[in-house]
Order: sequence, then C-alpha cells, then structure tokens
Amino acid sequence: NAGVTQTPKFQVLKTGQSMTLQCAQDMNHNSMYWYRQDPGMGLRLIYYSASEGTTDKGEVPNGYNVSRLNKREFSLRLESAAPSQTSVYFCASKGQGPTNEKLFFGSGTQLSVL
Amino acid sequence: GNSVTQMEGPVTLSEEAFLTINCTYTATGYPSLFWYVQYPGEGLQLLLKATKADDKGSNKGFEATYRKETTSFHLEKGSVQVSDSAVYFCALTSTDSWGKLQFGAGTQVVVTP
Repeated sequence: NAGVTQTPKFQVLKTGQSMTLQCAQDMNHNSMYWYRQDPGMGLRLIYYSASEGTTDKGEVPNGYNVSRLNKREFSLRLESAAPSQTSVYFCASKGQGPTNEKLFFGSGTQLSVL
Repeated sequence: GNSVTQMEGPVTLSEEAFLTINCTYTATGYPSLFWYVQYPGEGLQLLLKATKADDKGSNKGFEATYRKETTSFHLEKGSVQVSDSAVYFCALTSTDSWGKLQFGAGTQVVVTP
C-alpha cells in the first residue's frame, strides 16, 4: 500500500538552480495537489490538477510550474529557485465525488535554497 | 474568501489531561470541516471530519462538532497520551472549491509523561 510517493525527501539547491519534485499515487485518484508548508502559515496550495490533463493555479503559484504527466503522476518544477522557496512540499491526492473528500498526503520534500 | 483560524501553539500538557484546540472558520457555501494530524517527519493524515451542521466527527478518542451558529469546529480529547504529540490542522473545503482544502496555521501539541 504505497499511497502517495514523493521524491526526493531532502534537497539543497543554490539560488537560480532548477529542480523537479516528483509525485505518484497508486489509488487511481483523479485529483492531485501540491502544497507548501511554512511555519505559522499552515499549508498553502501551489497548484492542483482536478483531473488528468488539467492543471490550475492555487494560492501561491508564482515561481512554480506543474505537469500532470498521466493519472498517476503530478510533478512540480522550480525553474529558478529562490531562498523564499525554502519550505516543505507536500503532494496529495483525492478520489472523485462528494463522498471522497479525504486527501491522502505524501511524506513531504524538505527543500532548502541557499 | 474562505479562511480558517486556529489557536496558536505550542500547547503543552501532561499525559491524561484534557485537550481543546479552538478552530473557527469563514466560508461561502456549505463547507465540510476537517481535522488533520501531522506526526513528526510525516505527511498529514485525516483525523476526523464533519460534512454538515451539528455533525460530530470522532476518531481515536478525538471529537469535534460542526457548529454553524458559531462557525466553529473545536477539537477535544478527554485524556491525551504522549503518542498524541503532533501538529493538528483544522481545514475546510466548500462546494465551490474543487475539493481544495483551506488550512489553518496548525497547532503543535506536546504531551509530557
């Protein structure tokens, strides 16, 4: 029962470098999400994908891009990392329909931008 | 827009004490309300939820009642254990939000033996 798998778990970047955070779910969920977690601010939505082939901006999309590669995978890309993007990133997924409101989270990626 | 406000932490208490974490919300439509828990080094897990007014969610000894008149969803547990040490997040999703969750800032709870 893998659930939601994120890689890598830890990453250190220099300002201006790029990287892609990978996320995959094996629950056949339609919707997938990327959140960032910062102290005192809870989790804020970066981007989401309501279904395969669609992506939409969340609350804090600037500096990020996403790709919904297929139903299983939803990646988050930082094109030119900035210190303000130092955070813990969580991927999540959700099944379809009003009775499937529970989000399943990955274990997170801790990113430091120097 | 939607928002969630929860009490600041950390909350430190002794084993077997009573725990309350306050949560109030602002939302359009008819939101569903959630409590998620994050144990150290892990992602968030759903603890309980309530989908309409006066519903009570419960799980692992935790309870929360959806109070529409006070726009609140306070989390309670009668007797905490050391293993309940975690960060607790109140959250909501409304019918117009495509299932996106709006989270509170989180409350860290530390239970000492």
